[in-house]
Amino acid sequence: QQQVKQSPQSLIVQKGGISIINCAYENTAFDYFPWYQQFPGKGPALLIAIRPDVSEKKEGRFTISFNKSAKQFSLHIMDSQPGDSATYFCAASKPAGNKLTFGGGTRVLVKP
Amino acid sequence: NAGVTQTPKFQVLKTGQSMTLQCAQDMNHEYMSWYRQDPGMGLRLIHYSVGAGITDQGEVPNGYNVSRSTTEDFPLRLLSAAPSQTSVYFCASSYLIRGRGLYEQYFGPGTRLTVT
Repeated sequence: QQQVKQSPQSLIVQKGGISIINCAYENTAFDYFPWYQQFPGKGPALLIAIRPDVSEKKEGRFTISFNKSAKQFSLHIMDSQPGDSATYFCAASKPAGNKLTFGGGTRVLVKP
Repeated sequence: NAGVTQTPKFQVLKTGQSMTLQCAQDMNHEYMSWYRQDPGMGLRLIHYSVGAGITDQGEVPNGYNVSRSTTEDFPLRLLSAAPSQTSVYFCASSYLIRGRGLYEQYFGPGTRLTVT
């Protein structure tokens, strides 16, 4: 079964709008939650990451919100730009763990 | 630094053929991994290595072999290709961020494999 579930599968947003991607996990041993951004023909690249000791982390226009009790976390892309059009993956790993468990991915299209 | 490099970029195999996907990194990272990416399933871990001479299985290891004779190289071997192995393969290397207990992973550009 998929240990990290991601939704939606695809998303269309107007330039300047907010993109929201949600992930839910089952394994309470996970303690590191990164988000990766992938452009067509490229490998994933780390975008932003959070640990469960904080409920929110912001880097520029990208914010992760984390709800430990609900076992959910989400990525918000504020003021979305056409250059943000990409596939986004959430992931999770265990303490000091090198093995990532990925969600299924969300394809984001930002329309100018 | 070239980062993580993968060859070839594209490959077509017939069922039953074998081949090796190459992966190299020049960042002196201890940890290297192989993932496969399939539509709607994200990336799934095939095999990983925590250092030269040490490898272990990930989530979907069947049909694949790995070895790690040097820090830099981590080849992935398909023993007898099957259509179910049609996928995009990504190699990643990572290092432990001391004091934080976290690994930052760097991915290569991928190899698109088609098995007919």
